[in-house]
Amino acid sequence: QKEVEQDPGPLSVPEGAIVSLNCTYSNSAFQYFMWYRQYSRKGPELLMYTYSSGNKEDGRFTAQVDKSSKYISLFIRDSQPSDSATYLCAMVTGTASKLTFGTGTRL
Amino acid sequence: DTAVSQTPKYLVTQMGNDKSIKCEQNLGHDTMYWYKQDSKKFLKIMFSYNNKELIINETVPNRFSPKSPDKAHLNLHINSLELGDSAVYFCASSQEWVNQPQHFGDGTRLSIL
Repeated sequence: QKEVEQDPGPLSVPEGAIVSLNCTYSNSAFQYFMWYRQYSRKGPELLMYTYSSGNKEDGRFTAQVDKSSKYISLFIRDSQPSDSATYLCAMVTGTASKLTFGTGTRL
Repeated sequence: DTAVSQTPKYLVTQMGNDKSIKCEQNLGHDTMYWYKQDSKKFLKIMFSYNNKELIINETVPNRFSPKSPDKAHLNLHINSLELGDSAVYFCASSQEWVNQPQHFGDGTRLSIL
């Protein structure tokens, strides 16, 4: 079983819809959670960085962390064609720099 | 200005050759990384350097040797290239080595013929 599970998609939504992307993880030592967006032939671009359980909002993006369920989500409101990309979740324990990535969801 | 830049962007070479990939960051970060992204888009860390010192060395063949001449540069040298080395290699950096988000370059696409 992988440490981080992410549905690979592809996910197709109409313009203007709310998109929900999710990751589950098994290692309870993960403390910090990130979402990256990767366009084709580009490097991952950091979208959100969170620590505590709860919600964090930045523009059209909301990151949600539920440590008790080991579940994180990224919501994209008013989705646009320019949001078409692969979205990667990543997480790290509190004492290391090694990021563990999900496999990415293609939107 | 590109924050994390890698050269070359594309590298096509024969099996058995030796090649290098260079990475530079102008963010003033202390920590740099090399990742490998396979054909299924899975990103896996290979190495990490903090202030020119190796802090992460995942189970990577000895043919891969990172070198950090200074905090802003981390190069990757690969000896005796094999078909399985074909992948996209990403360089990244973070401000410190613990609990920091990482910023990625645009990758080097390595193809082995």
